Amino acid sequence: GENVEQHPSTLSVQEGDSAVIKCTYSDSASNYFPWYKQELGKRPQLIIDIRSNVGEKKDQRIAVTLNKTAKHFSLHITETQPEDSAVYFCAASKSGKAAGNKLTFGGGTRVLVKP
Amino acid sequence: DSGVTQTPKHLITATGQRVTLRCSPRSGDLSVYWYQQSLDQGLQFLIQYYNGEERAKGNILERFSAQQFPDLHSELNLSSLELGDSALYFCASSGALGKGQETQYFGPGTRLLVL
Repeated sequence: GENVEQHPSTLSVQEGDSAVIKCTYSDSASNYFPWYKQELGKRPQLIIDIRSNVGEKKDQRIAVTLNKTAKHFSLHITETQPEDSAVYFCAASKSGKAAGNKLTFGGGTRVLVKP
Repeated sequence: DSGVTQTPKHLITATGQRVTLRCSPRSGDLSVYWYQQSLDQGLQFLIQYYNGEERAKGNILERFSAQQFPDLHSELNLSSLELGDSALYFCASSGALGKGQETQYFGPGTRLLVL
């Protein structure tokens, strides 16, 4: 089955700096890669996602890049703010009617933005 | 608010007991997914239902079972509970498979504590 590795497990950055989280996946048939942000005791919330037919996607201060050949994808947060402090999860799935769409998550990255 | 509801929010029970967790998906969503989040195992996929039928199974114990009803709400039944079953249980929902509606929206979770 699919295996997703996520690095680093913790990340401390100064407010205003950039943060980068990297994930690798094992199943080349995976075609959907969402990123979730989870605050303590709360639900995971989707912040951005990318499909395998796209190499990069940006939404304001957040961007995701995908390298299908190397089977890795990354989350970039620019101009970090204290409210960006949370745990971030990457995930991968085979999306489609036959595949089903179950998510395999990475281990999570705890991001701390210091004011 | 994601539109996915889960009850109860908290559940405290004893080893050997049985509990039922309930999930109502977003209006119009056909897929329901159950995930378990524990400190040492991260977010793990348990099971998926699509329009009333089981679609995919993950690392779900035989003591656990689920179903999706005609109104599309879902229940996760956990029996013969052990201390190690203490975790956050999330339900997520998504739209029709194979139509670009793969984004999964998570409910607030049920925190289960087995004493």
